[in-house]
Amino acid sequence: AQSVTQLGSHVSVSEGALVLLRCNYSSSVPPYLFWYVQYPNQGLQLLLKYTSAATLVKGINGFEAEFKKSETSFHLTKPSAHMSDAAEYFCAVSGINTDKLIFGTGTRLQVFP
Amino acid sequence: EAQVTQNPRYLITVTGKKLTVTCSQNMNHEYMSWYRQDPGLGLRQIYYSMNVEVTDKGDVPEGYKVSRKEKRNFPLILESPSPNQTSLYFCASRNGYNEQFFGPGTRLTVL
Repeated sequence: AQSVTQLGSHVSVSEGALVLLRCNYSSSVPPYLFWYVQYPNQGLQLLLKYTSAATLVKGINGFEAEFKKSETSFHLTKPSAHMSDAAEYFCAVSGINTDKLIFGTGTRLQVFP
Repeated sequence: EAQVTQNPRYLITVTGKKLTVTCSQNMNHEYMSWYRQDPGLGLRQIYYSMNVEVTDKGDVPEGYKVSRKEKRNFPLILESPSPNQTSLYFCASRNGYNEQFFGPGTRLTVL
């Protein structure tokens, strides 16, 4: 069975500060891992994905995530937060041979000036 | 423009009145699915479809029906809506790289 845990339902940072959103996964098969972003009143947009190639994955808008098998983690980071990064972020996992996508409960990021 | 469209975007209805939320994608994707999003629960899969005439239950299928008569369309049907189906609904389609593309969402309120 697969599952995703996002630590912290709310994260607040100052503009220019490091953004760190945590995601831990559980999977009995090699996973595909994803981060999605949801801006207010919009659908989900893919930020980045890990599909068993490079463990450090770069995405859009300056975000990146590192797959750490030993820690079963896929944390999302951005060196310097921008006001426009305020949104809800979802981590998700699927198996290589399955189509089902399992989502975490989401982390709402607030960015203060 | 490659996209997933949903209609309506907002809907207020009453208990027991059948409704359909339409979903259409123009990317020729075989795999489509429906999710509901509720505060503190993230997104949960309702139904999915691997291809035309092939559908299966997700994690929370009770009270919902789907059909897939054409590749591009995947409507969600609530035969007898109840207040616990008040939620934000997303349709998605998936490409060959396991990337899911989401529609803009349908906010449903059942009174």
